[in-house]
Amino acid sequence: QVQLQESGPGLVKPSQTLSLTCTLSGGSISSIDYYWSWIRQSPGKGLEWIGYIYYSGTTYYNPSLMSRVTMSIDTSKNQFSLRLSSVTAADTAVYFCARLTEKYYYGSGSYRYFDYWGQGSLVTVSS
Amino acid sequence: SYVATQPPSVSVAPGQTATITCGGSDIRTKSVHWYQQRPGQAPVVVVYDDSSRPSGIPERLSGSNSGDTATLTISRVEAGDEADYYCQVWDRNSDHVVFGGGTKLTVL
Repeated sequence: QVQLQESGPGLVKPSQTLSLTCTLSGGSISSIDYYWSWIRQSPGKGLEWIGYIYYSGTTYYNPSLMSRVTMSIDTSKNQFSLRLSSVTAADTAVYFCARLTEKYYYGSGSYRYFDYWGQGSLVTVSS
Repeated sequence: SYVATQPPSVSVAPGQTATITCGGSDIRTKSVHWYQQRPGQAPVVVVYDDSSRPSGIPERLSGSNSGDTATLTISRVEAGDEADYYCQVWDRNSDHVVFGGGTKLTVL
């Protein structure tokens, strides 16, 4: 059974870099049909897509966060990571990692949706 | 970038039908997915590819997509359906994921 687990500091100081790791169990992070994603949710707010990474290392980022986000993947450890630099209080949120699955239509075309999520990790930005 | 718009809240009495919409430009050309999020929990997909249900999701939850609006319909609403619901699309032109703002379903 696929499981995702976030880990990392729960408290980060302003202007520093937030770092989180997501560990996959019950599957391979090198599978070609999946993308490995980060989503966050500020207190009382909606879901915000941060970005995703493919096993090859190709990344796709939300334009609003692109200048501060770096994602990486370690296939040997079945892990992928998020780094968010120059954080402020506005970056306080629950950070979820999730598997973005790509499904193909018969003939042509495809779609992507999140089929597995981690439980979420609260990161507070405060001095 | 693509924008998906949801009503902030929907209220419905138990046993009635709840309709949650997700509006976007020509959204019928996109595959829309719906997530249910209960307080303190991670989201769970309840409908994918407009109208498909993952195993374990009751038939009471159904989806449709036409024109500029995708819809999640919950029939015979129960107290346990009270949650936040989010639509999501993947914009293939930009390879970006877009979430709607979310709709809080209240069961009266």
